[in-house]
Amino acid sequence: NAGVMQNPRHLVRRRGQEARLRCSPMKGHSHVYWYRQLPEEGLKFMVYLQKENIIDESGMPKERFSAEFPKEGPSILRIQQVVRGDSAAYFCASSLRGTQNTGELFFGEGSRLTVL
Amino acid sequence: DQQVKQNSPSLSVQEGRISILNCDYTNSMFDYFLWYKKYPAEGPTFLISISSIKDKNEDGRFTVFLNKSAKHLSLHIVPSQPGDSAVYFCAASLSGGSNYKLTFGKGTLLTVNP
Repeated sequence: NAGVMQNPRHLVRRRGQEARLRCSPMKGHSHVYWYRQLPEEGLKFMVYLQKENIIDESGMPKERFSAEFPKEGPSILRIQQVVRGDSAAYFCASSLRGTQNTGELFFGEGSRLTVL
Repeated sequence: DQQVKQNSPSLSVQEGRISILNCDYTNSMFDYFLWYKKYPAEGPTFLISISSIKDKNEDGRFTVFLNKSAKHLSLHIVPSQPGDSAVYFCAASLSGGSNYKLTFGKGTLLTVNP
């Protein structure tokens, strides 16, 4: 499967625990984006990363959330001290080109986080 | 503040008929619009897009119409097929440096009945 791979597909955490979501972009893509879909809502942009760089994190909550895309390995979205309001589907997307692209992003299947 | 609105949560049509999904936006700066389709337990997949310099874009059974003065776009699927049953998201972006930052509507669940 050469598509965007996300894991885990489902993650259950208790309040106060940490959640780590991983994303491997499509082969050859070096631009990664994270979106969040809260229940009954559309997807909302969180962060845009290129290898080892955060390009735009304007959609990230100011606290507890962080993202990285190291030189080797997948992109990771990390949520510390999770709260019930963090329960959502987190989608990763990738693209071949960054800001020159036309907005056609390739999405993974998502990671569904449930906070008890 | 919801900048992209899909006011119909669901739509049901008969196989072979036309499906029309509607989308309104409030930000007049948006100049690129996309439709994504999403099946349960899968990620959204790109379907069709349109730039604000056009008023129509067609790709097979799918046509997107853009009415800039009304800040309205629609997706037409004809003929509709049962495999088209999915949630359809309308999305908008600004061209230039931040066109990766898509603003999505809440989606419309399309059901095509055999």
